[in-house]
Amino acid sequence: DAEITQSPRHKITETGRQVTLACHQTWNHNNMFWYRQDLGHGLRLIHYSYGVQDTNKGEVSDGYSVSRSNTEDLPLTLESAASSQTSVYFCASSSQRGSYEQYFGPGTRLTVT
Amino acid sequence: EDQVTQSPEALRLQEGESSSLNCSYTVSGLRGLFWYRQDPGKGPEFLFTLYSAGEEKEKERLKATLTKKESFLHITAPKPEDSATYLCAVQARETSGSRLTFGEGTQLTVNP
Repeated sequence: DAEITQSPRHKITETGRQVTLACHQTWNHNNMFWYRQDLGHGLRLIHYSYGVQDTNKGEVSDGYSVSRSNTEDLPLTLESAASSQTSVYFCASSSQRGSYEQYFGPGTRLTVT
Repeated sequence: EDQVTQSPEALRLQEGESSSLNCSYTVSGLRGLFWYRQDPGKGPEFLFTLYSAGEEKEKERLKATLTKKESFLHITAPKPEDSATYLCAVQARETSGSRLTFGEGTQLTVNP
């Protein structure tokens, strides 16, 4: 069965360190998304990609970057982790056709100390 | 700017006690409205997509409806396993690809 996976599931890091969160999907979807979920804010879009070599900023992109070198993967990098980036991060993917619903991964809980 | 407001923030029901969750939205041309279920410690799980006012979709004890300004998720005779956070999201017609704007969710607890 097609799926979307994230790793690691839990990560503790120190302020100032670079951190990369992995996202891998086997749906063969062109569209991929990164969200963060915080109490009081819901799901907020960080970055998204509509295909290989395409990346776009979402509403909370400062301090984050992504790159898309193949269809299956969209890693999210925190260039210099800050305590404000402590959150749960979700990756999602969707088809370019049809009903556009997004399918989500299980999430990565990141703590920046 | 697209906006989604869900109410109530939290809802407690007894098993078998039917109720509705509300999702109010403002969007410059709706392409689709999406409902998701999220269990603690897991990613959102897709439930329904609604495209136009008057449309309804059902899945087991859940029925989603759509008007021009809001959507309702009706839960009929809920069971404890229906306990979860329910998220609503909208996609604007002019949005390229499939970007979604999410509400903060309604946390539903169904007591046995």
